[in-house]
Amino acid sequence: DAKTTQPNSMESNEEEPVHLPCNHSTISGTDYIHWYRQLPSQGPEYVIHGLTSNVNNRMASLAIAEDRKSSTLILHRATLRDAAVYYCILSDPNSGYALNFGKGTSLLVTP
Amino acid sequence: DTAVSQTPKYLVTQMGNDKSIKCEQNLGHDTMYWYKQDSKKFLKIMFSYNNKELIINETVPNRFSPKSPDKAHLNLHINSLELGDSAVYFCASSQERRLGYTFGSGTRLTVV
Repeated sequence: DAKTTQPNSMESNEEEPVHLPCNHSTISGTDYIHWYRQLPSQGPEYVIHGLTSNVNNRMASLAIAEDRKSSTLILHRATLRDAAVYYCILSDPNSGYALNFGKGTSLLVTP
Repeated sequence: DTAVSQTPKYLVTQMGNDKSIKCEQNLGHDTMYWYKQDSKKFLKIMFSYNNKELIINETVPNRFSPKSPDKAHLNLHINSLELGDSAVYFCASSQERRLGYTFGSGTRLTVV
């Protein structure tokens, strides 16, 4: 399975942008890049996903490097409610697109 | 509300008992999953069903048996519960497996 590497933790001030990095140097051409987050005592929540092109939705933006070996989740304006563990996950057709969660990045947002 | 719902939310039981956790989704998705999150917070996939057929079966003790009566339901039955089964179990569903999953709010199982 292709693996991802994320920082254990990051900190941001409220109302500032946050860039959460993810390295996936062994990504294959058919792997999708997914981002999920898990707020305390809740189930994981879908944030965004992409294959090759950058993606935007109401929650965040996903910037994918040209070689696809890294990606960055961008929260444009962090709020206290964005404090969560953020997971960068690769899914591939050979494993039935199963999502295998790693340790993720714990994001702390301070007022 | 459209969602993935799990029952019960909390389950405390003694070692050796048999218990079930139920999951239902009203999103019209064709694939459902069970995940386990242990005390170290690692989320691991256990099973996946697509249109009532088992498609993913990770290395899980055979005391765990998923059952999918229809594509909107995926229940998890656990026999002879052990202390190490204590965890939070999450159900999820997706329309196409390569797209986003919707997770339930979890069932916290405590085996005493």
